Amino acid sequence: EVQLLGSGGGLVQPGGSLRLSCAASGFTFSNYVMTWVRQAPGKGLEWVSSISGSGGTTYYADSVKGRFTISRDNSKNTLYMQMNSLRAEDTAVYYCAKVVGVGELFPFDYWGRGTLVTVSS
Amino acid sequence: EIVLTQSPGTLSLSPGERATLSCRASQSISSSYLAWYQQKPGQAPRLLIYGASSRATGIPDRFSGSGSGTDFTLTISRLEPEDFAVYYCQQYGSSPPGTFGLGTKVEIK
Repeated sequence: EVQLLGSGGGLVQPGGSLRLSCAASGFTFSNYVMTWVRQAPGKGLEWVSSISGSGGTTYYADSVKGRFTISRDNSKNTLYMQMNSLRAEDTAVYYCAKVVGVGELFPFDYWGRGTLVTVSS
Repeated sequence: EIVLTQSPGTLSLSPGERATLSCRASQSISSSYLAWYQQKPGQAPRLLIYGASSRATGIPDRFSGSGSGTDFTLTISRLEPEDFAVYYCQQYGSSPPGTFGLGTKVEIK
């Protein structure tokens, strides 16, 4: 059974940093692109970032480029998101997700439970 | 930049009725790279349809997707109580990839 367990959210001041993690199990982690998607309170979904199976290629939404860094440790089956220079508009539930097929970038067939990031002073 | 417009914003229907949800793109989506997701309160989204018309694993056949180019539709043939939720479309064929629509809420009438 595919499982994705996101963690690491919390309250952080504007300009601060936070690191999210997503532990994966139930599939060959290194074969799949992994993704972070966020959802601001009461709002819709926003794709944030994706990373190739090897970790060698990364993709970012313009809204987070230069501030967020996605990475993965295939030996630990874990996905990460380092978030720096956080802003109030980054406040959201962050979901990690797995893509449907090997070699694909979208869409996402399994999602983790979200982890809430709140940026506020 | 491609924009997805979902309509209606809210759909009020009774169990057993047919639901028709629209997703319109501001420009043509290549290769029908359009997906639909269902999200219930407090839960992560669930993939229903990808490639405009292919059902994801485990999705009941009362859910169907159609369309191409700029106009796409998600149809729920007969609403079950568990189908009342918010539905999002997502395009992944044009730049920037991964754009979501703002969602359609299907509520009990």
